Amino acid sequence: DGGITQSPKYLFRKEGQNVTLSCEQNLNHDAMYWYRQDPGQGLRLIYYSQIVNDFQKGDIAEGYSVSREKKESFPLTVTSAQKNPTAFYLCASSPKGAFSGNTIYFGEGSWLTVV
Amino acid sequence: GQQLNQSPQSMFIQEGEDVSMNCTSSSIFNTWLWYKQDPGEGPVLLIALYKAGELTSNGRLTAQFGITRKDSFLNISASIPSDVGIYFCAGRQGGSEKLVFGKGTKLTVNP
Repeated sequence: DGGITQSPKYLFRKEGQNVTLSCEQNLNHDAMYWYRQDPGQGLRLIYYSQIVNDFQKGDIAEGYSVSREKKESFPLTVTSAQKNPTAFYLCASSPKGAFSGNTIYFGEGSWLTVV
Repeated sequence: GQQLNQSPQSMFIQEGEDVSMNCTSSSIFNTWLWYKQDPGEGPVLLIALYKAGELTSNGRLTAQFGITRKDSFLNISASIPSDVGIYFCAGRQGGSEKLVFGKGTKLTVNP
């Protein structure tokens, strides 16, 4: 099936540990994104990548890191420097990038709980 | 970062009623998107608008790109229980590489 796959769906980690969330897409999309969603809030952009081996900070990049070594993969690491990491994380992709007018499509999300 | 003003925050309606929600901004947008999100799932694209004044339908859903380019509306006709969820608007400004999201409208439909 074509789409965007995020894993794991649920993740629990101890405070101070780094965590990596996986995002894979088989849509042949050029651009990929990571958003964070908190209860009652809209989506906030963490990082985005328009091409392989290149990525840009979004509005709330502090405490997060990403890599884009392959077109289909865009993993997000939540580092111990992120002060409030518990949230719902959404990966998305777009054929050419949102700035070109194309829309973005989302994965099913990953719940991260830090205890 | 900038956010859109989406209203209402929540709606409680009876099955069969029509629904209207909107997003406004102080800035001009070149693209407006409407998504629906079910609990614990990723948002699903409903309608995309690319031109001022554009009116687009998707089944019982109709969305419009405001003439001023500073707002957009989503209407749902004859609501059904499966319409329950959170509806998000998103917009993109010219020259920007980012989408800006509203905080969502939570819709509850009573059978």
